[in-house]
Amino acid sequence: EPEVTQTPSHQVTQMGQEVILRCVPISNHLYFYWYRQILGQKVEFLVSFYNNEISEKSEIFDDQFSVERPDGSNFTLKIRSTKLEDSAMYFCASRSRSGVYNEQFFGPGTRLTVL
Amino acid sequence: AQSVTQLGSHVSVSEGALVLLRCNYSSSVPPYLFWYVQYPNQGLQLLLKYTTGATLVKGINGFEAEFKKSETSFHLTKPSAHMSDAAEYFCAVSDIQGGSEKLVFGKGTKLTVNP
Repeated sequence: EPEVTQTPSHQVTQMGQEVILRCVPISNHLYFYWYRQILGQKVEFLVSFYNNEISEKSEIFDDQFSVERPDGSNFTLKIRSTKLEDSAMYFCASRSRSGVYNEQFFGPGTRLTVL
Repeated sequence: AQSVTQLGSHVSVSEGALVLLRCNYSSSVPPYLFWYVQYPNQGLQLLLKYTTGATLVKGINGFEAEFKKSETSFHLTKPSAHMSDAAEYFCAVSDIQGGSEKLVFGKGTKLTVNP
C-alpha cells in the first residue's frame, strides 16, 4: 500500500542552525502539507502546497520557514534559523485530486529537537 | 474558526470492553469530520470519515462514529476492545468547503487496553 515517508525520523540541531526535513508523498498525490505537534499540544497546520506554490499557510509559518518540491518526488520543509520553540514532531501529508473531502495521508513524522 | 475538543487525554479500558472516545467540534459550515489513529512510531492513519449522508460511519478495525449535528459531536466507538487498539486517536475537522486546506485537530486521546 502506498505511504508517505519522512526522513530523518529524528533530527537534533543547535539553535540558530538550518534544518531541512524531507518527505516523499504518495506518488499520484497533488496536494502536500506540513503539520507540527509540540509535545503535549495539538497537531497544528503549517502550510499547504499545490501546483508548485503555497496555497495556504498558518501564522506559525513565518519567514523562517520555506517549502519546496525540488524534484517531483520530494517535498521539503526548511527552517532557516531554528529556535528552541521549533522543537516538535513534524508531519508531512498528501492528498490526491480525488480526495475532495480533504482526506490527507500522513507520514510517520520527524522529531526535531533544538538544543 | 473551526475547533475540535476531545474529552479525556487518556482512556483506559479492559480487553473486550466498549471503547468510547469523545469528540466535539465547532464549525461555521457543514463539517467534514475525521478520526485518525497513531500507533507508536507510525504516522497518522485515517480510521474513518464523515462527509455527507449516513450519520453512522464505519471505519477500519471495527471502529465506528456517529455524527450528531444537534450535539456537535462525532464520538468514536468500538464494541469490544482489543489489545492492538492501544494507540493515540485524533479527531479532526476539515474546512475545505469554506476554502481552507487545513485539518484542525483535537489534542488526541491515548487509549490503553488492559488484559
